[in-house]
Amino acid sequence: KQEVTQIPAALSVPEGENLVLNCSFTDSAIYNLQWFRQDPGKGLTSLLLIQSSQREQTSGRLNASLDKSSGRSTLYIAASQPGDSATYLCATFPWGNDMRFGAGTRLTVKP
Amino acid sequence: DAGVTQSPTHLIKTRGQQVTLRCSPKSGHDTVSWYQQALGQGPQFIFQYYEEEERQRGNFPDRFSGHQFPNYSSELNVNALLLGDSALYLCASSLLHDNQPQHFGDGTRLSIL
Repeated sequence: KQEVTQIPAALSVPEGENLVLNCSFTDSAIYNLQWFRQDPGKGLTSLLLIQSSQREQTSGRLNASLDKSSGRSTLYIAASQPGDSATYLCATFPWGNDMRFGAGTRLTVKP
Repeated sequence: DAGVTQSPTHLIKTRGQQVTLRCSPKSGHDTVSWYQQALGQGPQFIFQYYEEEERQRGNFPDRFSGHQFPNYSSELNVNALLLGDSALYLCASSLLHDNQPQHFGDGTRLSIL
């Protein structure tokens, strides 16, 4: 059974810092991996989707990498802003199975 | 272009009651998945519907059932509500044979008293 773990559970940084969020998974036989953002009381907004044949994806200040062999993905946020404050979730698509989520990292960016 | 819409946004029920949640997928999508998200946790997969059939199911009891209509909209039904069913219920839509991200609605917040 696929287990997804996100570390740290919470992170507080001053504005302007570069930061890394970590995601690890136990089954490397995944179809793809997706990073989401969730604001309080809201649904999920897709940030980046990395297909199994890819190693990274970039969108603006965000960069996500995927290393299937080690069961790890990282989300890098450059020059963080207060508007980046949210919970960040990673999710894997194991082959032939349903989507599995981590519990998320709650990020606070202080002005 | 409307995204995924869910109704109602909030709902309060008592133990033992039944509830129906609704989801309209993003235009052009044919697949609807439902997730339960408890406070402080990641979403847990309930089931997925495609062509009006349940395609996959997570580890949820039979009290949780669903339906997909010919227009691709979907309902989630929960019978004999328990306190532990209190959660945010999320609906996501996608195209089954297109490896693109799932699109999520804002969810229905269900509180059981």
